[in-house]
Amino acid sequence: AQRVTQPEKLLSVFKGAPVELKCNYSYSGSPELFWYVQYSRQRLQLLLRHISRESIKGFTADLNKGETSFHLKKPFAQEEDSAMYYCALLYSGAGSYQLTFGKGTKLSVIP
Amino acid sequence: GAGVSQSPSNKVTEKGKDVELRCDPISGHTALYWYRQSLGQGLEFLIYFQGNSAPDKSGLPSDRFSAERTGGSVSTLTIQRTQQEDSAVYLCASSLTTHPRSAVNYGYTFGSGTRLTVV
Repeated sequence: AQRVTQPEKLLSVFKGAPVELKCNYSYSGSPELFWYVQYSRQRLQLLLRHISRESIKGFTADLNKGETSFHLKKPFAQEEDSAMYYCALLYSGAGSYQLTFGKGTKLSVIP
Repeated sequence: GAGVSQSPSNKVTEKGKDVELRCDPISGHTALYWYRQSLGQGLEFLIYFQGNSAPDKSGLPSDRFSAERTGGSVSTLTIQRTQQEDSAVYLCASSLTTHPRSAVNYGYTFGSGTRLTVV
């Protein structure tokens, strides 16, 4: 069965420090991975997708199939990055496709 | 509409009562999903609808939970005989299709959720 693991419930970093939010997955198929973000009092929204290899708001994430990881990184944290971050895996099951989410990591950037 | 709309935004109910939560997806989105978000548990998949096909109900936690989608648009999630452990934020999301490329290219669009509190 597919699984997404985010080992840290809470991560606190100082402003300007590097950030790495960890995500590991378990899936027998070819993984499609995403990061979603939820800022305070806002709805959950897509941050980035592994296939696009994009950088959004300074965040990047590289899929490492050998380590089955998709860690989210940013070199210099900003206060506005404080939010809840969810890693998600798109998987196929019973003829359908859906996202499985990790339990989330709350990032707190200390001014 | 411009986004996924959910109502009510907050619902407080007494244990044992039934509740209905509503989701109005983005116009033209054929796929609709319900998730439950609770502290420490992340997002738990409940059910999804794909066009006119039978829904995937594999995530519903008990037979007290049911959902329907009328006319391929609005969906209602019903919880019967609510229990305190049902307290959570119920999120609805939609996507253009259930084809994986749609989800990969566009992701899901989430509503702002219904916060359910069972007292």
